Amino acid sequence: RKEVEQDPGPFNVPEGATVAFNCTYSNSASQSFFWYRQDCRKEPKLLMSVYSSGNEDGRFTAQLNRASQYISLLIRDSKLSDSATYLCVVNGGNSGYALNFGKGTSLLVTP
Amino acid sequence: GAVVSQHPSRVICKSGTSVKIECRSLDFQATTMFWYRQFPKKSLMLMATSNEGSKATYEQGVEKDKFLINHASLTLSTLTVTSAHPEDSSFYICSAPSITGKNYGYTFGSGTRLTVV
Repeated sequence: RKEVEQDPGPFNVPEGATVAFNCTYSNSASQSFFWYRQDCRKEPKLLMSVYSSGNEDGRFTAQLNRASQYISLLIRDSKLSDSATYLCVVNGGNSGYALNFGKGTSLLVTP
Repeated sequence: GAVVSQHPSRVICKSGTSVKIECRSLDFQATTMFWYRQFPKKSLMLMATSNEGSKATYEQGVEKDKFLINHASLTLSTLTVTSAHPEDSSFYICSAPSITGKNYGYTFGSGTRLTVV
């Protein structure tokens, strides 16, 4: 079983839509959780950290459920520029504090 | 904020040759550097962890004699792909833990796209 699993998508949504991504992780010893964004052929960029208390940054809301080992990302009022691959990332556990990446969920926002 | 400069960004080499990839932390000291590899439509996979002044730790299945890692200073870590083959063609990217203000995070290099022909 992969350490971090995501629905690969793709998600094709119209501008203005709300879209939700889900992620599960297998190692209960994991300590830190992130959502990264990766544009085609580029390095990942941190979108936001994920806390048990939830984390909101503008149109983006991330939540963590440690009991279920589940992480979510909600994007409201989607913009064309949100089109990218969203990576669920977990650290701690087997690899110490190296990051374990999900395969990514592809989002395409259309006009 | 913290910046990791990675070079080259793109390299094409012939089979059997070696390629060196450099990652430099520009405004912070990177005692640890993580090296990842990403094949098309796949997730980033950790290859190895380098620590300044000590031997790198390789993930299972990664040949340490093929992927030579050197972390001789607090600001420079290098990955050398030796005797490269077409199956080594991939996107290689480094990442270092960093602190920006109150935030602890990870700074990525811009990646190196290696094509072996």
